[in-house]
Amino acid sequence: EAGVTQFPSHSVIEKGQTVTLRCDPISGHDNLYWYRRVMGKEIKFLLHFVKESKQDESGMPNNRFLAERTGGTYSTLKVQPAELEDSGVYFCASSEGGTGTEAFFGQGTRLTVV
Amino acid sequence: GQNIDQPTEMTATEGAIVQINCTYQTSGFNGLFWYQQHAGEAPTFLSYNVLDGLEEKGRFSSFLSRSKGYSYLLLKELQMKDSASYLCAVHGSSNTGKLIFGQGTTLQVKP
Repeated sequence: EAGVTQFPSHSVIEKGQTVTLRCDPISGHDNLYWYRRVMGKEIKFLLHFVKESKQDESGMPNNRFLAERTGGTYSTLKVQPAELEDSGVYFCASSEGGTGTEAFFGQGTRLTVV
Repeated sequence: GQNIDQPTEMTATEGAIVQINCTYQTSGFNGLFWYQQHAGEAPTFLSYNVLDGLEEKGRFSSFLSRSKGYSYLLLKELQMKDSASYLCAVHGSSNTGKLIFGQGTTLQVKP
């Protein structure tokens, strides 16, 4: 069974540009999460989808970040326009259930804004 | 606020036993996870504790005390491949499965 896959694995963009990250969760997992790890800091929650609906987006830094999950399958996270402080590793995770359920993580997308 | 503390780095010898501690202060609690992450790879699930006590799974065990806001991960018979980052994470809310992470403990296993 395929795990959680993320694309691209690395992205280097200039400040002010737009970047779109993609996450394909494990098939059948209704719950999809985005997290981010900024260098030297802990992994932090960004948002949570249940199917195509946003269950919790309390961790989204600002309105330059837009997440979608059309059709309740794969998800995209767009950063527009990117700023230097957006650099970090963006992780996606999926799970069958919510609380108490193991989340499976992707390898992450390393985003560098220069 | 939400706070999860774990040591930044630990070193241990191959074949030995190591205990990685985690203390947490969260507004809610619905379980604690331990994940292992090798450099450049995805975090992978090790254990889940929601009730007090010890959960054993092969060479790895995890303990939880909810009254003390404390957990530890115990690794026995250390192998070189156990060199990795170990992440403590808490489910703080019953409404969502979002995880609150500590900074992670980088474990180096030496021959």
